[in-house]
Amino acid sequence: AQSVTQLDSQVPVFEEAPVELRCNYSSSVSVYLFWYVQYPNQGLQLLLKYLSGSTLVKGINGFEAEFNKSQTSFHLRKPSVHISDTAEYFCAVTPTRTDKLIFGTGTRLQVFP
Amino acid sequence: DAGVIQSPRHEVTEMGQEVTLRCKPISGHDYLFWYRQTMMRGLELLIYFNNNVPIDDSGMPEDRFSAKMPNASFSTLKIQPSEPRDSAVYFCASSSTRGPGGGYTFGSGTRLTVV
Repeated sequence: AQSVTQLDSQVPVFEEAPVELRCNYSSSVSVYLFWYVQYPNQGLQLLLKYLSGSTLVKGINGFEAEFNKSQTSFHLRKPSVHISDTAEYFCAVTPTRTDKLIFGTGTRLQVFP
Repeated sequence: DAGVIQSPRHEVTEMGQEVTLRCKPISGHDYLFWYRQTMMRGLELLIYFNNNVPIDDSGMPEDRFSAKMPNASFSTLKIQPSEPRDSAVYFCASSSTRGPGGGYTFGSGTRLTVV
């Protein structure tokens, strides 16, 4: 079975500071990896995804993530955050032979002025 | 494309009443998923369909919950009878099999409150 662990339930940060949201996964098979963002009272939007190839993946809104197979991690980073980045961020995995998306518990990013 | 459309956006109902949530997936998407989001349990997959056929309903909490997909453009999630613990945000998502790991497109959700 697969599982996703987001170690930080909340991450407070000041505007223009860098941020890293951590994600680790467990799987006995190959997986695809995703980060989704959920703004207040909205559905989830895809930020970025890793399917294969380069382990550094760039997404929308200046976010990027790096796949580390040996550490089974897929941490999300942004070099300089904005107030508008305040949202809930979800890491997710899909085993490559299935269509089932398994989510972590989410990390609330709170950006302060 | 208008995206995944869910209705209603908000639903308040009394305990014991029947509730029906609706979803219109993106045209051409073969998969449809129903998720429930609560503070305590996060995002839980309830059921998903492929080509209108239910594939995995192991996440449906109990017999009070049922889901149907009568055609490629419409799905319903029904709770009968509803209970206060069913209060949550219910999301529908769809995806296409035309690319590997394409990710899902989510609707805006239905916020259900059972009083």
